[in-house]
Amino acid sequence: DADVTQTPRNRITKTGKRIMLECSQTKGHDRMYWYRQDPGLGLQLIYYSFDVKDINKGEISDGYSVSRQAQAKFSLSLESAIPNQTALYFCATSDYKAGGTDTQYFGPGTRLTVL
Amino acid sequence: SQQGEEDPQALSIQEGENATMNCSYKTSINNLQWYRQNSGRGLVHLILIRSNEREKHSGRLRVTLDTSKKSSSLLITASRAADTASYFCATALGGSNYKLTFGKGTLLTVNP
Repeated sequence: DADVTQTPRNRITKTGKRIMLECSQTKGHDRMYWYRQDPGLGLQLIYYSFDVKDINKGEISDGYSVSRQAQAKFSLSLESAIPNQTALYFCATSDYKAGGTDTQYFGPGTRLTVL
Repeated sequence: SQQGEEDPQALSIQEGENATMNCSYKTSINNLQWYRQNSGRGLVHLILIRSNEREKHSGRLRVTLDTSKKSSSLLITASRAADTASYFCATALGGSNYKLTFGKGTLLTVNP
């Protein structure tokens, strides 16, 4: 979805380097998410943010940190990258509505390789 | 741990045939959603069914939900080669900590 953009789209880095993945959205959604996808597996939630001041850990937050700079921007950092963090990373936003239903809109993904 | 698990893991059919994928989950849900992912791309929402609904339709898609069996099925009728993709179910537990939990997906291949 072009309304959710991720940069970079591909990144190769070395073990121990600090990496930041950025996500921007023009959908005006309050909720944003970072997921990781490994080959043949579903998505695992890393961090999620219900608004600028509300950030929560997901299933696999160890080794990752996030920053919600504005409603439209949510960044994911790997402070010291390791090879098992090689994966496809997705940012998503959602239009959560009262009553508890939402649809998530995904960015195109960032393919990260840690050597 | 994964809340939703799709079955089968992979499905190969001919164009024009129907494709059925199943999803089982473990705990009570607020709603269940199906998403599609073309290879290496972001997921795209297909359809949402609430816990108090039993069946929904959207174009060639039909989704059923059986909360007593904690299972859902996605039927794609008259499949096309362009339907080739991975399909994921995602469950939402509801409440103040609402978020989705995705299964591992079913890889559907539609042969021309």
